[in-house]
Amino acid sequence: GQNIDQPTEMTATEGAIVQINCTYQTSGFNGLFWYQQHAGEAPTFLSYNVLDGLEEKGRFSSFLSRSKGYSYLLLKELQMKDSASYLCAVKDSNYQLIWGAGTKLIIKP
Amino acid sequence: GAVVSQHPSWVICKSGTSVKIECRSLDFQATTMFWYRQFPKQSLMLMATSNEGSKATYEQGVEKDKFLINHASLTLSTLTVTSAHPEDSSFYICSATDRGISGANVLTFGAGSRLTVL
Repeated sequence: GQNIDQPTEMTATEGAIVQINCTYQTSGFNGLFWYQQHAGEAPTFLSYNVLDGLEEKGRFSSFLSRSKGYSYLLLKELQMKDSASYLCAVKDSNYQLIWGAGTKLIIKP
Repeated sequence: GAVVSQHPSWVICKSGTSVKIECRSLDFQATTMFWYRQFPKQSLMLMATSNEGSKATYEQGVEKDKFLINHASLTLSTLTVTSAHPEDSSFYICSATDRGISGANVLTFGAGSRLTVL
């Protein structure tokens, strides 16, 4: 079966750095997405990786290793507004998005 | 950027009634729209994929007669939950794209509709 694993919850301090990991086992791979979802709201797009390596976008960076079936989202200079769930999603060989359950990130002052 | 409007944002209904949720792409033509449901602390579950002018493709386990999807135009898709029951209470989210499902195209999500069936 297809599976996306990410930690259920993480806690970090304002101003610090946090890394949210995602491992996947899917039938084929056509890219990996990270979305941010605040409670009761729809997901918003953060990043897309299809090749190995690090993609940096401001305070957020996303890394992919296809051989390891692994990605991480790195958030720097954490702000209180970064408190949200972070969803990892992979497009399989049929271009269907397989979603992880999300990681709830709690930021403390 | 692309904007998807979803309405209503929340609805409470009695068991046995039907509820319609609308999803509109405001500044682009949505060739494909997706309907998801999400239970608390769980991942998004794809219910169906709809392409303009054709019948929706439902995921396994989703009752097509209960969850009616209409995608009559390039900017509007509707989801009707027929004869709703308390177990249908959930967060329903639509998303749309104008570039099909391949490649790096990013899905734009509506704000979601929280359905509570009493």
